Amino acid sequence: EPEVTQTPSHQVTQMGQEVILRCVPISNHLYFYWYRQILGQKVEFLVSFYNNEISEKSEIFDDQFSVERPDGSNFTLKIRSTKLEDSAMYFCASGGLADQETQYFGPGTRLLVL
Amino acid sequence: QKEVEQNSGPLSVPEGAIASLNCTYSDRGSQSFFWYRQYSGKSPELIMFIYSNGDKEDGRFTAQLNKASQYVSLLIRDSQPSDSATYLCAAPNQAGTALIFGKGTTLSVSS
Repeated sequence: EPEVTQTPSHQVTQMGQEVILRCVPISNHLYFYWYRQILGQKVEFLVSFYNNEISEKSEIFDDQFSVERPDGSNFTLKIRSTKLEDSAMYFCASGGLADQETQYFGPGTRLLVL
Repeated sequence: QKEVEQNSGPLSVPEGAIASLNCTYSDRGSQSFFWYRQYSGKSPELIMFIYSNGDKEDGRFTAQLNKASQYVSLLIRDSQPSDSATYLCAAPNQAGTALIFGKGTTLSVSS
């Protein structure tokens, strides 16, 4: 069964460093999303992406964040200058053409900023 | 701002019982709802979605939607210890470009 994959599974970085989180969505999906979940808190929407552009972003998704689809398979989230409060699980999700609302999540990247 | 509310629990049921998980939402215009299961340290896994008023059954799971009461529920029949997880209720934002999640209800099934 097709699934969303994410790399790395864990990332430890120093405050102020840049990190890139990578995702490979389900192959025939066209809608891509990033969410994050701080430990013990709810899953929060960051950004959605369709047709090579951002379709929606939340208040969390400020100038330190960016997304890119560098090729036909990868979808990346870059955090330019990490802060302690960026420590969280980051989930990529994708949705199909027929039903963009039905989203399938990847296993996540656990980011720890020291 | 659309909100999705869930009782955080924990909800404890014995093995073989029916577990009932509830969710309320603030936006009367919401048309679709999603239930995800999340094991500790893992990602949300889609269990069911429901668009229409009434019940939708899939195996041991039944989703119920009452738009008049702005209430959606998930019933798990014949609960198993492997069902022990946090269950997340989610609804799309108005544009359908994001899912808004509740905090989740933690279910514990004892053998």
